[in-house]
Amino acid sequence: EAGVTQSPTHLIKTRGQQVTLRCSPISGHTSVYWYQQALGLGLQFLLWYDEGEERNRGNFPPRFSGRQFPNYSSELNVNALELEDSALYLCASSLEWYEQYFGPGTRLTVT
Amino acid sequence: AQSVTQLGSHVSVSEGALVLLRCNYSSSVPPYLFWYVQYPNQGLQLLLKYTTGATLVKGINGFEAEFKKSETSFHLTKPSAHMSDAAEYFCAVSDRDTGNQFYFGTGTSLTVIP
Repeated sequence: EAGVTQSPTHLIKTRGQQVTLRCSPISGHTSVYWYQQALGLGLQFLLWYDEGEERNRGNFPPRFSGRQFPNYSSELNVNALELEDSALYLCASSLEWYEQYFGPGTRLTVT
Repeated sequence: AQSVTQLGSHVSVSEGALVLLRCNYSSSVPPYLFWYVQYPNQGLQLLLKYTTGATLVKGINGFEAEFKKSETSFHLTKPSAHMSDAAEYFCAVSDRDTGNQFYFGTGTSLTVIP
């Protein structure tokens, strides 16, 4: 069974630019979660999508947004990048809410 | 509000020694508790979880954790450390009232000394 996949693996952006990260959940999973893992801050919950709808949102500014497609894959968009957005962005999927399966992450560096 | 505190950002043990990683939580409702492991350049892997029932939970790779409500703790243990256990470990708490949101601790980096 294929796990959660994320693309790209790494990317480097300049402050002020926009970026889109992608996530494909495990087949059959309808929920997708996004987390930010910044150095020294642990994992911070960003967004939860289920059945194409945004169900919950963490304490992040509106320039962090996303969507979930009919095939349950998801995108995370970050506008007006700031230096502090540099982090590992993790996507997780679940069928049952209490068991999230994580992808390998996308490492974003903002210069 | 829920939160998780992991005592000790770095823990070192000798190979074969007991592993003890500490996790305390705060929750206004009965919590669901999790331990995840993260190897370098990889995502998180679920080690074990407590939802309801038996308070001693066994996970993968010989790890186990005990939910102690009176101490608001969910410490992770393994009787004998192996070199392959070297990784970052995260404790997390959640419940349905938070909209499936997981609150993670800041992690404990485990080093195993040969």
